[in-house]
Amino acid sequence: QQPVQSPQAVILREGEDAVINCSSSKALYSVHWYRQKHGEAPVFLMILLKGGEQKGHDKISASFNEKKQQSSLYLTASQLSYSGTYFCGTQADRGSTLGRLYFGRGTQLTVWP
Amino acid sequence: NAGVMQNPRHLVRRRGQEARLRCSPMKGHSHVYWYRQLPEEGLKFMVYLQKENIIDESGMPKERFSAEFPKEGPSILRIQQVVRGDSAAYFCASSPAWGRLMWTSWETQYFGPGTRLLVL
Repeated sequence: QQPVQSPQAVILREGEDAVINCSSSKALYSVHWYRQKHGEAPVFLMILLKGGEQKGHDKISASFNEKKQQSSLYLTASQLSYSGTYFCGTQADRGSTLGRLYFGRGTQLTVWP
Repeated sequence: NAGVMQNPRHLVRRRGQEARLRCSPMKGHSHVYWYRQLPEEGLKFMVYLQKENIIDESGMPKERFSAEFPKEGPSILRIQQVVRGDSAAYFCASSPAWGRLMWTSWETQYFGPGTRLLVL
């Protein structure tokens, strides 16, 4: 039930945009996005619940297509601080696997000045 | 408001020894999750606990691994007779009590800094 993330790695110049995708073979209840810098804890970015909502703060936003079981994370006008590994975590079924998140393998984002 | 705390941050053990990893959830959080992360990989769910209850331990190996979250004190992940393959970063996450806050707040898991276990 591990979601698939793409691409595996992205290299950007400061100010460029990026999209990271997360797809699952199972029906999703929620998608959670985290960013992790090397040697540090994953930092929560946002959560999307089923219903096809889109969220965002600052220049990072995300969408959730419940029908396609896909979520995308959009990074606009990237900054150096955006560098890190981005993980999506999914909850496939609120009833049977309450609480546990299935994480993708991550997308490594590098922003150069 | 202190975040999720884990200790030790680094732990070195020889094969056959025991490893004890501690996690103190954020204030007001009564749900604790343990995840394991191997180098260059994502986080793998191990166990989900509430105070004095194991809710889901389906991701935890049946042998040598155990977890608890007592009424008082931190959650403990214990690994007995460690082997080299246990070397990994172990993260704990916490979330608020169900029903007390908005759904999105309950669902959100906040991670601690992790314990990096090295088995020699």
